[in-house]
Amino acid sequence: QSVLTQPPSASGTPGQRVTISCSGSSSNIENDYVYWYQQLPGTAPKLLVYKDNQRPSGVPDRFSGSKSGASASLAISGLRSEDEADYYCVGWDGSLSGYVFGTGTKVTVL
Amino acid sequence: EVQLVESGGGLVQAGGSLRLSCEASGFTLSRNWMHWVRQAPGKGLVWVSRINIDGRTVNHADSVKGRFTISRDTARNTLYLQMNSLRVEDTALYFCVRDFGGPSDDWGQGTLVIVSS
Repeated sequence: QSVLTQPPSASGTPGQRVTISCSGSSSNIENDYVYWYQQLPGTAPKLLVYKDNQRPSGVPDRFSGSKSGASASLAISGLRSEDEADYYCVGWDGSLSGYVFGTGTKVTVL
Repeated sequence: EVQLVESGGGLVQAGGSLRLSCEASGFTLSRNWMHWVRQAPGKGLVWVSRINIDGRTVNHADSVKGRFTISRDTARNTLYLQMNSLRVEDTALYFCVRDFGGPSDDWGQGTLVIVSS
């Protein structure tokens, strides 16, 4: 069972900005980093954001991460059809001594 | 080019065992933290296990602790996941991951494990 909570779905039209939330606790993202992954249908996940707000090489700056307390967000600006995918937050949980993923958010481009 | 190729998945009865392998190329396995992550059909991602750079520290998710063991063979540049006492709920696509959450994060394509009752 996930200990990071995300909305099950989010949507927007091309060009819009979409924000996905990730709610955790003091045992995970409040006191450690949060990471964000994108999973396109039928493919392995791809890292979009690491250490709260850093983008790996090659990830467009349309994707941005932020965090405040035990809540984190991933923003997608200038939404494109190819952004239609599942998005997961993840962080290390000190109480569990393991990583915990969020429940996942399916983004639909209308 | 970095490649991670998982193998060893298949159909097994509940209570049985399987050993997954992840053959790495394009980098040295022992210079990276390596992880296993799984995904049940139609479900979300679940972190399973990790092994550190010197191979002396391992962590497993509570759901697999005592049943699964992560290990590696540096000579073969291969990561393993020994899975014992398999349960129906272990059915999933198992991914091998290099540098999970880091700037060199790389994933294999996964190997499917199906546990029947």
